[in-house]
Amino acid sequence: QKEVEQNSGPLSVPEGAIASLNCTYSDRGSQSFFWYRQYSGKSPELIMSIYSNGDKEDGRFTAQLNKASQYVSLLIRDSQPSDSATYLCAVTGETSYDKVIFGPGTSLSVIP
Amino acid sequence: GAVVSQHPSRVICKSGTSVKIECRSLDFQATTMFWYRQFPKKSLMLMATSNEGSKATYEQGVEKDKFLINHASLTLSTLTVTSAHPEDSSFYICSVARGGGGYTFGSGTRLTVV
Repeated sequence: QKEVEQNSGPLSVPEGAIASLNCTYSDRGSQSFFWYRQYSGKSPELIMSIYSNGDKEDGRFTAQLNKASQYVSLLIRDSQPSDSATYLCAVTGETSYDKVIFGPGTSLSVIP
Repeated sequence: GAVVSQHPSRVICKSGTSVKIECRSLDFQATTMFWYRQFPKKSLMLMATSNEGSKATYEQGVEKDKFLINHASLTLSTLTVTSAHPEDSSFYICSVARGGGGYTFGSGTRLTVV
């Protein structure tokens, strides 16, 4: 059974701080990794995708991937109240059409 | 990226009736779509993989006779919840696999069975 785990929440950070979200996965053959943001009652929206080891930056967001450790993280710099949401780590397998397995999510609250 | 339309966004039905949820890929020929369900404050649980022109692949524990999936064209997959019961009340979301590791989600359907 392929599993994706995330650090337990909820996570609270003050506005302007860095929020750090962590994720581990069990399938060593996984190739694609995603971070989705989900607001209550809405469907997930893609924040970041990462496919190779190292860091990937997009604005205030940085994703980090370490395949050897089977670990992927998301850093949110200069956190804003609008970043308050549930963040879902998602992992797919070896093909372009593999199913996406989601982690349980981490709830983030950014306190003004 | 692909645009995915999911309909209806919200439905209330009586126990014992069937409900059909549509997922349309508006600008991408989707050979593969996925159906998820999500309970309150829980993550998305994959129910099945829908493949155009063939039978869907269901995840362990998902009743294929209860959750009927049809993917008859490259732009439409449907999920029918048959003989719905209150425990089927959930948020159902479809997603389209665009290839290259990209996925686009529909807006979701909130099903309430009374």
